Amino acid sequence: AQSVTQLGSHVSVSEGALVLLRCNYSSSVPPYLFWYVQYPNQGLQLLLKYTSAATLVKGINGFEAEFKKSETSFHLTKPSAHMSDAAEYFCAVSGPSGTYKYIFGTGTRLKVLA
Amino acid sequence: GAGVSQSPSNKVTEKGKDVELRCDPISGHTALYWYRQRLGQGLEFLIYFQGNSAPDKSGLPSDRFSAERTGESVSTLTIQRTQQEDSAVYLCASSLGTNNEQFFGPGTRLTVL
Repeated sequence: AQSVTQLGSHVSVSEGALVLLRCNYSSSVPPYLFWYVQYPNQGLQLLLKYTSAATLVKGINGFEAEFKKSETSFHLTKPSAHMSDAAEYFCAVSGPSGTYKYIFGTGTRLKVLA
Repeated sequence: GAGVSQSPSNKVTEKGKDVELRCDPISGHTALYWYRQRLGQGLEFLIYFQGNSAPDKSGLPSDRFSAERTGESVSTLTIQRTQQEDSAVYLCASSLGTNNEQFFGPGTRLTVL
């Protein structure tokens, strides 16, 4: 069965600093992995997804994530935080062939300090 | 509109009342999903519709929860005899097909007093 763990329910970074949001997954089959962002009072927006092609995935707004099978991780990074990055971020995993039953982590709320 | 819309945006109800939540998917999207997001928790899958196939109801937490979808259009999630533990944000998503990116609506925040 698939599961997702996001370490740190709240992360604070200074504007211009590196953003690192951690996600570890458990899957009995090669997974599809996703990062979604949720701004206040809005729906989730897909940032990026891994579907067994390149292990380093680039997404929107300068974010990227690296799939590391040996570490069962899919951490989200951005070299330089911007105030507009403040939001909640969710990691999700799905089963083989992109099954629709996404399993979401509990989310990480990112705060960017001026 | 261009995105998934949900109504109402907020709903406050009394314990024991029935509520209906509505989702308008993106036009042309054959797949529709309902999720529940409790405070401090990740999204929980509730139900999935794909075209005219039988829906996957495996995520519905109890028989007080039901959902309908007419064709490939609007869906309604109904919660009967609401309980305080039903308080959550209910999110709807749609996609072109089963294995395509899910686009989410803004959610309905349900508060059961």
